[in-house]
Amino acid sequence: AQTVTQSQPEMSVQEAETVTLSCTYDTSESDYYLFWYKQPPSRQMILVIRQEAYKQQNATENRFSVNFQKAAKSFSLKISDSQLGDAAMYFCAYRSDIIQGAQKLVFGQGTRLTINP
Amino acid sequence: SQTIHQWPATLVQPVGSPLSLECTVEGTSNPNLYWYRQAAGRGLQLLFYSVGIGQISSEVPQNLSASRPQDRQFILSSKKLLLSDSGFYLCAWTPKGSLRAEAFFGQGTRLTVV
Repeated sequence: AQTVTQSQPEMSVQEAETVTLSCTYDTSESDYYLFWYKQPPSRQMILVIRQEAYKQQNATENRFSVNFQKAAKSFSLKISDSQLGDAAMYFCAYRSDIIQGAQKLVFGQGTRLTINP
Repeated sequence: SQTIHQWPATLVQPVGSPLSLECTVEGTSNPNLYWYRQAAGRGLQLLFYSVGIGQISSEVPQNLSASRPQDRQFILSSKKLLLSDSGFYLCAWTPKGSLRAEAFFGQGTRLTVV
């Protein structure tokens, strides 16, 4: 079974600085998807960024980028120019590359990010 | 556009009482539906998923059950709640046939069993 591990329960960063959240996963599959979700105090889960395992290029979405190391099974999230609105719980998630059936997500334990003004 | 509704937002129930949480999706048809639970300070754990009406798969043995009486309706139930059922419950959906698609989540229900 696949597992996802986030080893940083809490992180803090000064506003406008850069922070990196770590995520490692374990799988025997070669094709899969990785996601970072954000859960602000409102508890609404919001997709931040996704990465297809077959793509070597790291995904980027504005201030958010990932460092995907497939051989190391590592998928870190970098947030540049941190803003107060980035404060949230961040979850790393894994999903198998399947065509039929449910697209089940396996989540890490989460990292609580605090932005210091 | 598609939306997902989940209610109630907050629920306090005594031990041994029944439970019914409802989730509906609008703006799409034949979605895959999911129930996740988030225990305090922990990640989300998949409880149930459904790929069609009346088709329910359980991921974790527990005191809860799920049903899908209509295409876009997913219900989480219990006949008798336990203290350990407390947590934050999230409903989600994904479209079929799209490998890149993200999961879309409802607003969640905070359940406290007392």
